[in-house]
Amino acid sequence: GDSVTQMEGPVTLSEEAFLTINCTYTATGYPSLFWYVQYPGEGLQLLLKATKADDKGSNKGFEATYRKETTSFHLEKGSVQVSDSAVYFCALSRGATNKLIFGTGTLLAVQP
Amino acid sequence: ETGVTQSPTHLIKTRGQQVTLRCSSQSGHNTVSWYQQALGQGPQFIFQYYREEENGRGNFPPRFSGLQFPNYSSELNVNALELDDSALYLCASSLAESGRETQYFGPGTRLLVL
Repeated sequence: GDSVTQMEGPVTLSEEAFLTINCTYTATGYPSLFWYVQYPGEGLQLLLKATKADDKGSNKGFEATYRKETTSFHLEKGSVQVSDSAVYFCALSRGATNKLIFGTGTLLAVQP
Repeated sequence: ETGVTQSPTHLIKTRGQQVTLRCSSQSGHNTVSWYQQALGQGPQFIFQYYREEENGRGNFPPRFSGLQFPNYSSELNVNALELDDSALYLCASSLAESGRETQYFGPGTRLLVL
């Protein structure tokens, strides 16, 4: 079945460091890919998405490119801030219900 | 534009009880999906409602049931609560159009079963 694998955390960085969170997926056909962010005690917020191969999603300095040849959707940011500290979820959707299948989440902690 | 809202925010129940959680979808959306997020895990799909009908279900037992109303708001009902039902329950709404819709989440209801 469809699945998402993302790097385990926690990822601890200093402010202004470069961020990469790896995400790979297994799915038949052409899923849509998403990154959601969850701040402590809150629900999920959509960070960015891509719906077809080679699309690049971007928002708030974060970027991810849909790579079908490597079945990956890695999240990157050039310079992280303390306010980026949160749990990041990679997800895919496909099929009639468009249900989301999530990875287990990666905790990012940014230190001043 | 009003976002997705959920009520209550927190709830404590005892094993064997029943609970109803509520969700109001984002304005203009006609589809509601429910997810269960256990502590430290990613959300798991429970089911989806479209035009008041169940439109897909995840691997959850029948004691998890739902409703969608004509205004597209929705309820999640859980009977015979078990300790493992303790989780954050998330509602997400979307507009069914192209099959590649984005789901927008509410803040969740945190359920604790004692």
